[in-house]
Amino acid sequence: GAVVSQHPSWVICKSGTSVKIECRSLDFQATTMFWYRQFPKQSLMLMATSNEGSKATYEQGVEKDKFLINHASLTLSTLTVTSAHPEDSSFYICSARDVGGILKEAFFGQGTRLTVV
Amino acid sequence: GENVEQHPSTLSVQEGDSAVIKCTYSDSASNYFPWYKQELGKRPQLIIDIRSNVGEKKDQRIAVTLNKTAKHFSLHITETQPEDSAVYFCAAGSWGKFQFGAGTQVVVTP
Repeated sequence: GAVVSQHPSWVICKSGTSVKIECRSLDFQATTMFWYRQFPKQSLMLMATSNEGSKATYEQGVEKDKFLINHASLTLSTLTVTSAHPEDSSFYICSARDVGGILKEAFFGQGTRLTVV
Repeated sequence: GENVEQHPSTLSVQEGDSAVIKCTYSDSASNYFPWYKQELGKRPQLIIDIRSNVGEKKDQRIAVTLNKTAKHFSLHITETQPEDSAVYFCAAGSWGKFQFGAGTQVVVTP
């Protein structure tokens, strides 16, 4: 099946620093990737839709200047958490669908657990 | 936008019994309804899905039903086993963009 690789799997950073998370589709091209956030014991919440070659679309309540998304190629999207604070500590996970939309499911990366201290 | 509600939030079943999780959605444009299983600390894994032109789908011990008129869909797990213990999420949407239910913690006791 299709593989989505997310890196890093976990990261600890100091408050005020920035963290970059990568989402790669390894064996298919993804014009669209989605970024979700999951707080402990809560559901996955869509943060933004990442479109290759254009600006990301953010869900209501998500600060676009804080969560920078770059989708520079058909296989890579990055999420940068800028000036991270403890309340940004969460499980971030991406998903991707292929160019033609033939695959009827979104494939998830393994997720990144971010801890801000 | 889409709003998905999922019930129950926790479900405890005896090994061998059946488990049923129910979800409702609000957006009639949603045409794809996947179910994910998430074990502690791991990514969600797709276990079964159903499209809007199908009313029921079965895969071994797992089945999903969809009532498009009423905008609800359900997950059925038969002959539950301890390894079925996990959090299950329903989702509704289209083209890979989903809204997820709040999740159901399923505990299967031997």
